[in-house]
Amino acid sequence: ETGVTQTPRHLVMGMTNKKSLKCEQHLGHNAMYWYKQSAKKPLELMFVYNFKEQTENNSVPSRFSPECPNSSHLFLHLHTLQPEDSALYLCASSEAGPSTDTQYFGPGTRLTVL
Amino acid sequence: KQEVTQIPAALSVPEGENLVLNCSFTDSAIYNLQWFRQDPGKGLTSLLLIQSSQREQTSGRLNASLDKSSGRSTLYIAASQPGDSATYLCAVPYSGAGSYQLTFGKGTKLSVIP
Repeated sequence: ETGVTQTPRHLVMGMTNKKSLKCEQHLGHNAMYWYKQSAKKPLELMFVYNFKEQTENNSVPSRFSPECPNSSHLFLHLHTLQPEDSALYLCASSEAGPSTDTQYFGPGTRLTVL
Repeated sequence: KQEVTQIPAALSVPEGENLVLNCSFTDSAIYNLQWFRQDPGKGLTSLLLIQSSQREQTSGRLNASLDKSSGRSTLYIAASQPGDSATYLCAVPYSGAGSYQLTFGKGTKLSVIP
């Protein structure tokens, strides 16, 4: 266990549904990240939050909406997704960020969009 | 822009063999390089982090080397075991727009045959 938990672990949703992914870190870190991992592609950074403030948004479509209510929790709100959004969504945290510090990853949420 | 390449994409070896995984990066001005392990459908586990001033790092049967000038890193696994079967990813922090983002390779999928 890395100290980063994600729920749910698996999610199947239709294109018109609204759902949320949750990430929680128990490491006392100040930075949290969302990554997308698609088949045969490198991990792609989506969003970065540092001390609850969003510092990076890598041109992510607006159908993905992040929320960071405090340094321990990070959400990814999903609505009107497309089948190509099916992927493994990974959350990570680091002491400070975005920086060169080691990042600790959660187990991921496997998302399937029908 | 930093690009990270990992060769081979997949590797199958019999148990007990020593093996080397390769990682190359295009911009040699890196702060560190990190090796991760990812089990199927799971998150990433950090294995080794090599600072730019270091030549190698060791942890148990794992040894990672770094040659900044040539833009290369290797992960050496001694006496491989079936439990080593996983995908191995390398990543370097990339500086863009005043912050750092981890740039990942696509990984090498290792299978150790009993």
